[in-house]
Amino acid sequence: DAGVIQSPRHEVTEMGQEVTLRCKPISGHNSLFWYRQTMMRGLELLIYFNNNVPIDDSGMPEDRFSAKMPNASFSTLKIQPSEPRDSAVYFCASSLSTGEDGYTFGSGTRLTVV
Amino acid sequence: RKEVEQDPGPFNVPEGATVAFNCTYSNSASQSFFWYRQDCRKEPKLLMSVYSSGNEDGRFTAQLNRASQYISLLIRDSKLSDSATYLCVVSNSGYALNFGKGTSLLVTP
Repeated sequence: DAGVIQSPRHEVTEMGQEVTLRCKPISGHNSLFWYRQTMMRGLELLIYFNNNVPIDDSGMPEDRFSAKMPNASFSTLKIQPSEPRDSAVYFCASSLSTGEDGYTFGSGTRLTVV
Repeated sequence: RKEVEQDPGPFNVPEGATVAFNCTYSNSASQSFFWYRQDCRKEPKLLMSVYSSGNEDGRFTAQLNRASQYISLLIRDSKLSDSATYLCVVSNSGYALNFGKGTSLLVTP
């Protein structure tokens, strides 16, 4: 199994630009999660999907952030317009619905907004 | 108050030492508990689940105290390769995991 695949690995963009992060979950996993990690705040849940449906997006910081999951094998997290304070590592993770075995994380996207 | 609290460390220990981390959680309805390990500039990886009866995996032992709402991780015979950040993780709903900010461990020769 290839695991959870995220792209790009690194992204440097200018303030005000649109950024799109991509994630392919593990085949057969029907829950998908987007987390953001910073030194100050640690890992924060942004949104999670179950069977492609957003279940809880209360962690999405503001309207500049949006996430979609058009099918079971693909999700995107978009930031528009980006701001320097969005700089962080963004992780995607997937799991079986029960979550009893924890999550599997992708390698993350390191976003720098200048 | 953050839902999951950990001592950030760092814990600096010599090879072969035994080291213990604790973590407290605020929601008494929490259902599932885990320890994750995160290496520098890498993704978190599941180290072990934590069960009410306590569980062991090689040199690692995890304990859960529901009455006091804390979780512990004991590492015996520390190896250099154990150097990492250890994240305490709690689930309230069975879906979304809440992560502590992590405890940093450095094992020295």
